[in-house]
Amino acid sequence: GEQVEQLPSILRVQEGSSASINCSYEDSASNYFPWYKQEPGENPKLIIDIRSNMERKQIQELIVLLDKKAKRFSLHITDTQPGDSAMYFCAASYASSSFSKLVFGQGTSLSVVP
Amino acid sequence: GPKVLQIPSHQIIDMGQMVTLNCDPVSNHLYFYWYKQILGQQMEFLVNFYNGKVMEKSKLFKDQFSVERPDGSYFTLKIQPTALEDSAVYFCASSLTGDEQYFGPGTRLTVL
Repeated sequence: GEQVEQLPSILRVQEGSSASINCSYEDSASNYFPWYKQEPGENPKLIIDIRSNMERKQIQELIVLLDKKAKRFSLHITDTQPGDSAMYFCAASYASSSFSKLVFGQGTSLSVVP
Repeated sequence: GPKVLQIPSHQIIDMGQMVTLNCDPVSNHLYFYWYKQILGQQMEFLVNFYNGKVMEKSKLFKDQFSVERPDGSYFTLKIQPTALEDSAVYFCASSLTGDEQYFGPGTRLTVL
């Protein structure tokens, strides 16, 4: 299958706390897992990604974890700020030969309240 | 980060007419994609394009859809004829390696 499930669909956190978004995928051949942030009326922006040869990656306040056995990956935003409020989409690449496409999760609407 | 441009940003068209959406990908990128996003939902893959050819298309990529990139200029998505259900935001993306994809600002298409 090619589905990517993403939870929660809505997430509201207090400024300064952590936010976590979880995704699961079906195809064990997926090897690339990006995360996109999309603000209203804007394009999705790549914020962090992880490949299947890694279990953890951190860029500043963003941490992604990958559990290949469970086919799950997650995004953790530490010390959230109001500017982190946006839609977040996880994705998994599905490659037929070397031509990949991204299959996206349903999105998480994150609100960071002061 | 790398910038992908899309023209126009909005397009309103009558059902049955033809529309062409234009994408100016990142200059050294080799892989090109179109995705469709209906309001409030995720992006859905339509088609990928490499070396002048369609490599894969989804079931959303109907017979009325076509893509091309003549002479390395704009990467275009043409819909002929348009239908009401084609109303959506269409995002172009490009990639150097086929993994990291950078998205344009989208074209909001409204079919009346």
